[in-house]
Amino acid sequence: EAGVAQSPRYKIIEKRQSVAFWCNPISGHATLYWYQQILGQGPKLLIQFQNNGVVDDSQLPKDRFSAERLKGVDSTLKIQPAKLEDSAVYLCASRPPGGRTEKLFFGSGTQLSVL
Amino acid sequence: GENVEQHPSTLSVQEGDSAVIKCTYSDSASNYFPWYKQELGKGPQLIIDIRSNVGEKKDQRIAVTLNKTAKHFSLHITETQPEDSAVYFCAASRTGRRALTFGSGTRLQVQP
Repeated sequence: EAGVAQSPRYKIIEKRQSVAFWCNPISGHATLYWYQQILGQGPKLLIQFQNNGVVDDSQLPKDRFSAERLKGVDSTLKIQPAKLEDSAVYLCASRPPGGRTEKLFFGSGTQLSVL
Repeated sequence: GENVEQHPSTLSVQEGDSAVIKCTYSDSASNYFPWYKQELGKGPQLIIDIRSNVGEKKDQRIAVTLNKTAKHFSLHITETQPEDSAVYFCAASRTGRRALTFGSGTRLQVQP
């Protein structure tokens, strides 16, 4: 089966610019996550969707980060304006519905460099 | 919220030796403990997981042990091979509250 697709693979921007990342989860996966992974650290949850609804966005810096999953399939994460400390890999993950498994399927991520 | 601590941060072993990575968690209600392997330029991949009603689980050369009382769990890799070289992350969560909290990772280097 096709995996979780993310684009772009790399992005370099200057601080105060805006950027958007796209994720297409595995077909049929109802739950979608965005994680931020700073170099040398573990992934940190930014937001969790169940279909097109937000389940948990408690760690999302809402003054600059936003995310949507309008049709309950693909998702977009946006940063505006970017700060130097936003340099990280942004990972998207999805999970099958119905509690069949706790396993998360991760994409390869978008590596963001803010200069 | 949950806090997961992982050590060591780096681990170098000779091919064929065993490797052990340890994690502790803070939330006594956590009941699901997976381990993910991340290779360079890729997203993490699940390699093994354990639930709180089980003390140990094994899958070929990989095993995980859980001590609920002490709130710690460990990954054991036996007969290490160069392809085991990667960053390993432990994680914890409560069933029903699906988001995982990850540890800070262990970079394992298996020397041929």
